[in-house]
Amino acid sequence: DVKVTQSSRYLVKRTGEKVFLECVQDMDHENMFWYRQDPGLGLRLIYFSYDVKMKEKGDIPEGYSVSREKKERFSLILESASTNQTSMYLCASLPLGVEDTQYFGPGTRLTVL
Amino acid sequence: AQSVTQPDIHITVSEGASLELRCNYSYGATPYLFWYVQSPGQGLQLLLKYFSGDTLVQGIKGFEAEFKRSQSSFNLRKPSVHWSDAAEYFCAVGNNAGNMLTFGGGTRLMVKP
Repeated sequence: DVKVTQSSRYLVKRTGEKVFLECVQDMDHENMFWYRQDPGLGLRLIYFSYDVKMKEKGDIPEGYSVSREKKERFSLILESASTNQTSMYLCASLPLGVEDTQYFGPGTRLTVL
Repeated sequence: AQSVTQPDIHITVSEGASLELRCNYSYGATPYLFWYVQSPGQGLQLLLKYFSGDTLVQGIKGFEAEFKRSQSSFNLRKPSVHWSDAAEYFCAVGNNAGNMLTFGGGTRLMVKP
């Protein structure tokens, strides 16, 4: 089975802090994604990556950056956390070139005070 | 641009009753369609997907969905709901490689005993 893990289930940070959310997948998938989930809005794509060191902006990239130094790891970075970034963050992975579905991690609930 | 609408934010059904969750999408080509379920505190689990072929697709946990191109719909159904089906359900549409998913806002299902 594909396993996508996220470094923290719950995280509390203060406004202005730099925040790192880590995601690791164990199936050698090329594509990885970061979403945020808010009530009534479903999941919205922040960034995705289709290869090491490659990244593309999603629908809501403002205030976020990402890093992919190794194929299995995709990090989401909040350079200066703000209260409006309080949300659930979900990571996903997807193999390249086959008809498949994205595999999701358990999520990190981030609270910014 | 692709979009997904789930018109029902909350639905309550009695255990043993039938269920239909609505999903309407907007997409310029033949869509890739998905239904995911999220139980409290969990990540997203794929229930079923439609890529091509038979428009009635069977999924896990006794769920099925029907793709109706003329109505731009992909409604999820279950003939008899169990208490364990209480969760949030998300419909999503993907591009031709399934890479870029757009999610609906979700429908929260509550099951009465």
